Amino acid sequence: DTGVSQDPRHKITKRGQNVTFRCDPISEHNRLYWYRQTLGQGPEFLTYFQNEAQLEKSRLLSDRFSAERPKGSFSTLEIQRTEQGDSAMYLCASSDPGRLYNEQFFGPGTRLTVL
Amino acid sequence: DAKTTQPNSMESNEEEPVHLPCNHSTISGTDYIHWYRQLPSQGPEYVIHGLTSNVNNRMASLAIAEDRKSSTLILHRATLRDAAVYYCILRDVDQGGKLIFGQGTELSVKP
Repeated sequence: DTGVSQDPRHKITKRGQNVTFRCDPISEHNRLYWYRQTLGQGPEFLTYFQNEAQLEKSRLLSDRFSAERPKGSFSTLEIQRTEQGDSAMYLCASSDPGRLYNEQFFGPGTRLTVL
Repeated sequence: DAKTTQPNSMESNEEEPVHLPCNHSTISGTDYIHWYRQLPSQGPEYVIHGLTSNVNNRMASLAIAEDRKSSTLILHRATLRDAAVYYCILRDVDQGGKLIFGQGTELSVKP
């Protein structure tokens, strides 16, 4: 257990539905990252926050995707009008830039299946 | 983003050393070399990182070539729990610290 939790762990939805995932980072970490991983591939960066500010978004983050971190603590990732191509593992990670090694700590992920 | 090249897969015997290579010929002066691994059904976990000098920690050693265009992750005695996908990543701390993963090397360990 890295201290980063994600909820739910699994989500099955029908195409066209909206889904929302939650990530709770390690409490003292002010950076939070979202990644997406499809089967057999390495994780792909989606977006990251420094406290409550969203500082970078990947081109992969279409306008159907929105991420928030309203109080600089937990974050949510919402996908609207899901498509089958959205099926993937969604990973959250947190880090403290002030730490010597600045490593990212990953949660267990939320596996999304779009039928 | 700078790219890395790793073999798709490698095999090792339990309790033997493992050398996982990574080529990064386009590395820039501000890129750190990071290694993460991902065990089955888990998120990635940090293994080690370095800039120019060789590094050791409780999990592994990192040997960096003098020209920094390649590096090798060394597991001194592989265990069955080391079976995972190992990712070599170049990370520019000036770019928000995001990780750009490649395909990684899938390491299997035989008893």
